[in-house]
Amino acid sequence: DAMVIQNPRYQVTQFGKPVTLSCSQTLNHNVMYWYQQKSSQAPKLLFHYYDKDFNNEADTPDNFQSRRPNTSFCFLDIRSPGLGDAAMYLCATSRASGGTIYNEQFFGPGTRLTVL
Amino acid sequence: KNEVEQSPQNLTAQEGEFITINCSYSVGISALHWLQQHPGGGIVSLFMLSSGKKKHGRLIATINIQEKHSSLHITASHPRDSAVYICAVSPYNTDKLIFGTGTRLQVFP
Repeated sequence: DAMVIQNPRYQVTQFGKPVTLSCSQTLNHNVMYWYQQKSSQAPKLLFHYYDKDFNNEADTPDNFQSRRPNTSFCFLDIRSPGLGDAAMYLCATSRASGGTIYNEQFFGPGTRLTVL
Repeated sequence: KNEVEQSPQNLTAQEGEFITINCSYSVGISALHWLQQHPGGGIVSLFMLSSGKKKHGRLIATINIQEKHSSLHITASHPRDSAVYICAVSPYNTDKLIFGTGTRLQVFP
């Protein structure tokens, strides 16, 4: 089945120790998103890729970086995690083409990050 | 004021009850989405609507573009329907979503 896969599902890191979360998709979608979701809050968009074009949200801290080496994979790098970065990180994909730029987003299961 | 408002914030029901969750928004949109998130889990897209009504199993979603309002109905609710239901909108000319704060539903046997 076509899907969005996130690894790992649970990640524990130490304060200040870099961590990388990964997302892969078999949907061949050209748009990929990273969201941060804290407990009982709505997901917050960190950035997204439209094909290879990277779009950073204005309020995303510099501590958060992303890479998209190919259509299928996207990575979220947290350079120096703080206690406030503990959250669920959700990857999503959608297909945008031509004049249709609104599309259903397909979400992965998320990676729950704990910072000790 | 949030651009997407949901009500109620919390909802409890007995198994078998008919459930309605409401969503109002204040921006022009291309589409509205209803999403489901089980505790500690990822998000599942239930519906994407730009007009009218959609049905999938026991779930029905409606939207009134003029009134900027949508409803999600669950017929014959079941404990496995217990989850957070999130309304999100796609504003015009953007591929981003604006999320509501969610409605936490608990269905008891």
